[in-house]
Amino acid sequence: GIQVEQSPPDLILQEGANSTLRCNFSDSVNNLQWFHQNPWGQLINLFYIPSGTKQNGRLSATTVATERYSLLYISSSQTTDSGVYFCAVDNYGQNFVFGPGTRLSVLP
Amino acid sequence: DSGVTQTPKHLITATGQRVTLRCSPRSGDLSVYWYQQSLDQGLQFLIQYYNGEERAKGNILERFSAQQFPDLHSELNLSSLELGDSALYFCASSATGETQYFGPGTRLLVL
Repeated sequence: GIQVEQSPPDLILQEGANSTLRCNFSDSVNNLQWFHQNPWGQLINLFYIPSGTKQNGRLSATTVATERYSLLYISSSQTTDSGVYFCAVDNYGQNFVFGPGTRLSVLP
Repeated sequence: DSGVTQTPKHLITATGQRVTLRCSPRSGDLSVYWYQQSLDQGLQFLIQYYNGEERAKGNILERFSAQQFPDLHSELNLSSLELGDSALYFCASSATGETQYFGPGTRLLVL
């Protein structure tokens, strides 16, 4: 089945810093989503982005489907951005597969 | 708030027992998905239903079963529980098969 890798596994930032999270996948996909799991366990949908670029406030994402990767950018990070960021992909009707996540800690 | 509700929020039970987790999707969403999140396995897809019919199956054990009812709510039944079944169980719903919206999860502890 499709493999999903995320990097870095852990990231510690000072409040106000910018960061880039990466998701690599091993096969073509028709669905890619980024999620944020907050410290209380809630999974929050950030972007549906199988290709192209989207922006939502301080967050933006880019997926280059032909090169099988996606990037999540967080600018001017805040302590509330802390948590685990997951990339998940769907390989044309196969199961939705999650990456291992990037754990982000934003320090005040 | 995603609009997806799950009950109960927490469940503590003993090995060998059976439990039922319930999920109500967002209004109008026909697809319901179940996921398991454990420390050693990460987030894993279990099963998907679409308008009452099973659509896709993932890493779901034979001891587990699910169904989606005519009012579109879904139940995940876990039987002969083992210690390793302790996990956070999520339900998600989708209208188009694209964006999935997750419920708050049910935290299951098997003692």
